[in-house]
Amino acid sequence: RKEVEQDPGPFNVPEGATVAFNCTYSNSASQSFFWYRQDCRKEPKLLMSVYSSGNEDGRFTAQLNRASQYISLLIRDSKLSDSATYLCVSWFEGTASKLTFGTGTRLQVTL
Amino acid sequence: NAGVTQTPKFQVLKTGQSMTLQCAQDMNHNSMYWYRQDPGMGLRLIYYSASEGTTDKGEVPNGYNVSRLNKREFSLRLESAAPSQTSVYFCASSVGVRNEQFFGPGTRLTVL
Repeated sequence: RKEVEQDPGPFNVPEGATVAFNCTYSNSASQSFFWYRQDCRKEPKLLMSVYSSGNEDGRFTAQLNRASQYISLLIRDSKLSDSATYLCVSWFEGTASKLTFGTGTRLQVTL
Repeated sequence: NAGVTQTPKFQVLKTGQSMTLQCAQDMNHNSMYWYRQDPGMGLRLIYYSASEGTTDKGEVPNGYNVSRLNKREFSLRLESAAPSQTSVYFCASSVGVRNEQFFGPGTRLTVL
């Protein structure tokens, strides 16, 4: 089982729609989580950190559910420019501290 | 403020050739990383440097070596390139190992 699992998609949604992605993680000791956005043939860029209480940044809302070991990302009022791959990331501090990336969920927003 | 820069952007090698990928950051970050990204595999950590003077293996270190030249620069060397090393290589940096990482634009490497 992969440490961080995501539905690869693609999710095809019309402009203005609300879309949500889930990501599950296997290491219950993971301490921090992030969502990154990656455009085609570009580098990943931090979208938002995920806090235990959940957090919101404009049209984007991230939630963490430790009991079920998943992280979610909600995008409201989708824009064409939101089309990208969204990477879920977990961080674990231990003898082998590391950031683990999911393979990403592709979103395509259409007119 | 350029952030994280990588050179070269593209490279084609023949099997057995060697090369060094360069990475530099101007954000005064302590930690630096090298990843490779392959279709369906996601980003995989090759090596990282938690702080100047230290380097550690990541998930897929075989066939690579690294040098943390100073706080700004972290290079990745392929001593004898193999077709399996065809990939996109990203360098990243962060304030510390538990902080969000900032990525460079990547190097697209093809080994024939």
